[in-house]
This record gives sequence, structure tokens and C-alpha cells, in this order.
Amino acid sequence: DIQMTQSPSTLSASVGDRVNITCRASQSLSTWVAWYQQKPGKAPKLLIYEATTLATGVPSRFSGSGYGTEFILTINSLQPDDFATYYCQQYVTYLLTFGGGTKVEIK
Amino acid sequence: ITLSESGPTLVKPTQTLTLTCTFSGFSLTTSGVGVGWVRQPPGKALEWLTLIYWDDDRRYNPTLRSRLTVTKDTSKNQVVLTMSSMEPVDTATYFCAHRMLGDYPTIVFDSWGQGTVVTVSS
Repeated sequence: DIQMTQSPSTLSASVGDRVNITCRASQSLSTWVAWYQQKPGKAPKLLIYEATTLATGVPSRFSGSGYGTEFILTINSLQPDDFATYYCQQYVTYLLTFGGGTKVEIK
Repeated sequence: ITLSESGPTLVKPTQTLTLTCTFSGFSLTTSGVGVGWVRQPPGKALEWLTLIYWDDDRRYNPTLRSRLTVTKDTSKNQVVLTMSSMEPVDTATYFCAHRMLGDYPTIVFDSWGQGTVVTVSS
């Protein structure tokens, strides 16, 4: 199995901050990584796929970067609606796996 | 695109769980289309279970393969998940989701159901 390790597990930030969430893979993924946002009691929402491509309708303050084994989700100018949990997902193999999640909390 | 899960909220240990995903806005007869299932235990991360394609190709999480079956009914726009030998550790919210169209190996989910909570307890 490919392990996806996210850091930090919890992040405290203020509105307007720039935040980075890291996802490290146990083997190379090329760019086959997606990011999701999940709010309590809701389904995940696709933000980014293929490491850097913004999904339809996702605000441009979200961006993704990385290649191989290290990937970063960046949120520029954090908005109140962005406080949520974020997950990375790899899809280089058919055992799709997700990271453990990063909760972005209000500071 | 909309998806909605339905099924029992409570199952007993050793029983088989059957969940139905009813969808609209796409057809599982269209080339490239797939519907997957993902679960999430309370307070924990997401876990992919299975994916079924328009051509009836089925993929399963190897760690759960012996317990899972996924089928489709294109006339009803439904996908059915069965999971046998349920145990308390299988308590989770179960989501079905639409695979975003794209070339292999793109398997990401761009539309999700609201999820259904399943508790395993005697």
C-alpha cells in the first residue's frame, strides 16, 4: 500500500493567512494526487487533481504543487469558509489511499 | 450530478450490509463513467472501498476484497454495495461518488452523495 502522510494534523490560522498543508507519499506518485476539503457532517469536495489542476468552481486562492513524493496544498488569504479538514489522495495505483487529514482551525 | 445513498442505519455483527447509491445527471452506460464507494469511521480518515465502471469493470480495495461486491443497475441508475461479515469496526459513514471523467489513471471523485451512517452493533 502507498502511505500518504499529511502534516500538520491540525493547523491554527487566522482569516487572511496563507497556509500550507503537506502530503508525503511512501513512493513516487508522479503528479497523481488530489486534494479534498471536508466540513463536519458533509461529503468531501474535490479541490485539486493531478497535483496542480484546480477543480471546476474552486476559488483561485487554492493551489497545489509538488511531484513525486511531496505535495503541498496552499490556501492564500484564508477565508472563513475555508476552516475545514483537508485530505490528499493518491491514484497511481488501484488501491486508492487518502492521507490522515489536516484540520484547519480558527486561531 | 447528484448521488444519494440509502440503506440500513444499524446492522448486527456478522450480518451483510447492502447499500444503494441512486444517481442522476449521468449514465453508467457512458464510456469512462464510474461510481465509487468510500467510507469514513467516526473522527477518522477516508477509506476507498470499490469502483465500478460503465463497462462493468470492477475494482476493489484488496484489504476488503473478500467481503465486498459492487453491482450496477443502469435501468434504475443505481449502484449497489454489499459488504459481508460486518463488525463494529465497520461502523462508518459510507459515501458513493462519481468518478471524474479523464484518462487513466485519473480516479478522483468530483461529486459525492451526502453519506449514510451505518452502525454495527448487537
